[in-house]
Parts: sequence; C-alpha cells; structure tokens
Amino acid sequence: DAKTTQPTSMDCAEGRAANLPCNHSTISGNEYVYWYRQIHSQGPQYIIHGLKNNETNEMASLIITEDRKSSTLILPHATLRDTAVYYCIVRVAETSGSRLTFGEGTQLTVNP
Amino acid sequence: DAGVIQSPRHEVTEMGQEVTLRCKPISGHNSLFWYRQTMMRGLELLIYFNNNVPIDDSGMPEDRFSAKMPNASFSTLKIQPSEPRDSAVYFCASSLAAGSNQPQHFGDGTRLSIL
Repeated sequence: DAKTTQPTSMDCAEGRAANLPCNHSTISGNEYVYWYRQIHSQGPQYIIHGLKNNETNEMASLIITEDRKSSTLILPHATLRDTAVYYCIVRVAETSGSRLTFGEGTQLTVNP
Repeated sequence: DAGVIQSPRHEVTEMGQEVTLRCKPISGHNSLFWYRQTMMRGLELLIYFNNNVPIDDSGMPEDRFSAKMPNASFSTLKIQPSEPRDSAVYFCASSLAAGSNQPQHFGDGTRLSIL
C-alpha cells in the first residue's frame, strides 16, 4: 500500500473549517483513500473514503486532487469534540490482505 | 446500532498468566480484525478473519499469541504465557467484507498491562 505524509499537528478555531492535508504521491490507480480519527482512549473511528471523486457525508468532505497524489479532509464546522489524531490511509481494497496501515497521523486541536 | 464490543476494557495481570481478550463484531459483518497499539509501534494488524476463517496471521508476534473465531459473532485473542512487552491496547474491528472497499469499524479496545 502507498505511503502517506501528513503534518504532525494542526490547530483550528472552534466553529471554523478544519482542512487536513495528506500527500500520497505514489498512490496506485486501484487504491482508495481512507480517513480515520482516534480520540484519546477510544478506538479509531471511520470518517470517509474515496477513490477519485470528491465525497461528502454527515461528518466530513473528502477532496481528492485530479492526479490523486494528495487529498484534503474538511471538517466544515469544527467543535472541541473533533480534537483527535486524524489518519490518512491508502489501501488496495480488492486484495485479500485488507490491512489498514496507520501512520503517525495529524494531531488536530480545536481551540475555543 | 451496537458497535464492536470488546471485553474486558482493562486487564492487569502478572507475567506468565494467560490472558483472553474477547470481541463481538457488528451483526452482519463477516470480516474481523485484531490490532495492537503501542507508543513505539503505533497500530499494527495482528490477524484477520473472513467468514470465521483466519486469512492473514502474519502480524501475530509469536506462538504465545493465538486467535479464534468459533462463530460469526465472537472472537478471542489469547496470550499464553503473557510477558510485560505484551502491554498495549488491543483493538478489534469488523467490516462487511474483506477484499472490498467497505470500511472497518473499531471497538474501544482492551488496555492490557502485564506486570
């Protein structure tokens, strides 16, 4: 699976949009981009995933560049409860090995 | 809907003892995963099952670790004998189908401390 690069940490003001970037320049055509987050002392929580089109759900939006070498997770109105480590993961969904390889992630801190 | 349920939430035991961690996947999910998280190594996949059959156990550290899935609604991860270096948070996750783009959903983990 392709390696991802994320900033170590980011800050965001409560109520503002949080834009979390991820680089995956070696992504292959059949690899999906997944985003998870982990709030302290809890298990990782699935947020969103996509292949090449932009995606939106009740939690967030995922913007994938046309060349698919990077993506941005957008939390439109961040709250204090969104403070967590956010993981960007790329994975080939069709292989028999369905492991999620978690990197270091981005520590997002939402400030009041 | 109930998510992935793990028990116990916390376990403290002395080295050499047998430890059994339990997981109930989301109803209807046919893939189950065991992960371990430590500060040094982050989140690592230990083993995963598809339709109750172990598919990939290459992440299991050594023979002291074993995992079973006797039916679609229950799995165990056993460590015997336990060692201090096994101290970690162990997560169980489930998904609709391995080999698809369905996301994995995680439980809240078992925090294991081996003294």
